[in-house]
Amino acid sequence: EDQVTQSPEALRLQEGESSSLNCSYTVSGLRGLFWYRQDPGKGPEFLFTLYSAGEEKEKERLKATLTKKESFLHITAPKPEDSATYLCAAPQGGSEKLVFGKGTKLTVNP
Amino acid sequence: DGGITQSPKYLFRKEGQNVTLSCEQNLNHDAMYWYRQDPGQGLRLIYYSQIVNDFQKGDIAEGYSVSREKKESFPLTVTSAQKNPTAFYLCASSIIPGTEAFFGQGTRLTVV
Repeated sequence: EDQVTQSPEALRLQEGESSSLNCSYTVSGLRGLFWYRQDPGKGPEFLFTLYSAGEEKEKERLKATLTKKESFLHITAPKPEDSATYLCAAPQGGSEKLVFGKGTKLTVNP
Repeated sequence: DGGITQSPKYLFRKEGQNVTLSCEQNLNHDAMYWYRQDPGQGLRLIYYSQIVNDFQKGDIAEGYSVSREKKESFPLTVTSAQKNPTAFYLCASSIIPGTEAFFGQGTRLTVV
């Protein structure tokens, strides 16, 4: 069964303390890996799409990378406004459905 | 200003009543989706549509119904058969099925 697993479930950082979030997947024939940011009570906001191993995408303090088995969302020198839940997703093998991980709740303390 | 509009933002329903959640997009996307989000469970797919007048059940379709009469609109009806309807409902669309999806701001449904 295709799965997308995120770790850790929650991460608490001090402002300026860099770290990484993990998204591992077992989707066969990966056709894209998507990262989203979700603030409480709001819909997920699209961040990045990665298609092939070795690919990297950057946006402000965020950088997403992809290997053959997992993706990382690196957060460099985070600020309190980066606090949110980060979700990753991938299309299910042989289907057009997106499979989502349960997310990592990031809290950045000032 | 292109995007996905869900309405209403908050909705209260009495047990035994059907209720319809609205989702409209002006992105000219072919595919549209409905997800349900509960604490600790992540996003679960209810229904999706790849093209007008066609839709497929997702993982938790029981107690829900949809229609796709127009490309722009994909309303979700939560029927009285849904045993635990209180949740946060999210509508999304993508330019073609299986690509990155863009979400609306959600509707929080509470059964009272």
